Amino acid sequence: SQTIHQWPATLVQPVGSPLSLECTVEGTSNPNLYWYRQAAGRGLQLLFYSVGIGQISSEVPQNLSASRPQDRQFILSSKKLLLSDSGFYLCAWGRGNEQFFGPGTRLTVL
Amino acid sequence: QQPVQSPQAVILREGEDAVINCSSSKALYSVHWYRQKHGEAPVFLMILLKGGEQKGHEKISASFNEKKQQSSLYLTASQLSYSGTYFCGTDTGTASKLTFGTGTRLQVTL
Repeated sequence: SQTIHQWPATLVQPVGSPLSLECTVEGTSNPNLYWYRQAAGRGLQLLFYSVGIGQISSEVPQNLSASRPQDRQFILSSKKLLLSDSGFYLCAWGRGNEQFFGPGTRLTVL
Repeated sequence: QQPVQSPQAVILREGEDAVINCSSSKALYSVHWYRQKHGEAPVFLMILLKGGEQKGHEKISASFNEKKQQSSLYLTASQLSYSGTYFCGTDTGTASKLTFGTGTRLQVTL
């Protein structure tokens, strides 16, 4: 069966510090991978998606970047965090038309 | 453009029924429904691929009216475990990217 991991689970970072969130998927190959952000009490906003290694599409211009160095690894990064980057970051993998979410990383920028 | 969900919030007594609607301004390839408990990742409920398709999952079912670009989620004889925020995700057919609605908060009480 397929599983998706994200770490860390929670993170508190100062403004201006760098960020690296990691997502890995097990039990499947060549999945579509997605990064979403959810602000407190809000809906899900698609940030990036990837259909293969090194292929990244950005949905929203922002302070973040994504990379896919391996087939089942998806990384979300920032060089300098802003207060507005706080939120719940969710990685998802897709098989056909379905998407399944990881447990998420709750990021607080102070 | 973000699909519109209605109602925004609903409170039910255990055993009552509810309908959550999702409307899009764009032609849809599929509609996905998720439930999110507070502080947790969204959990996939079901996907509807064809116009007029209806699906069921225990006492939760959904319909998809492709012509009207709408989907409805039906919760029958609600249970306490149904509480959470329900999101529809709409797919216009591009790399299985989903655009999520703002969510409907459902609370089931005794």
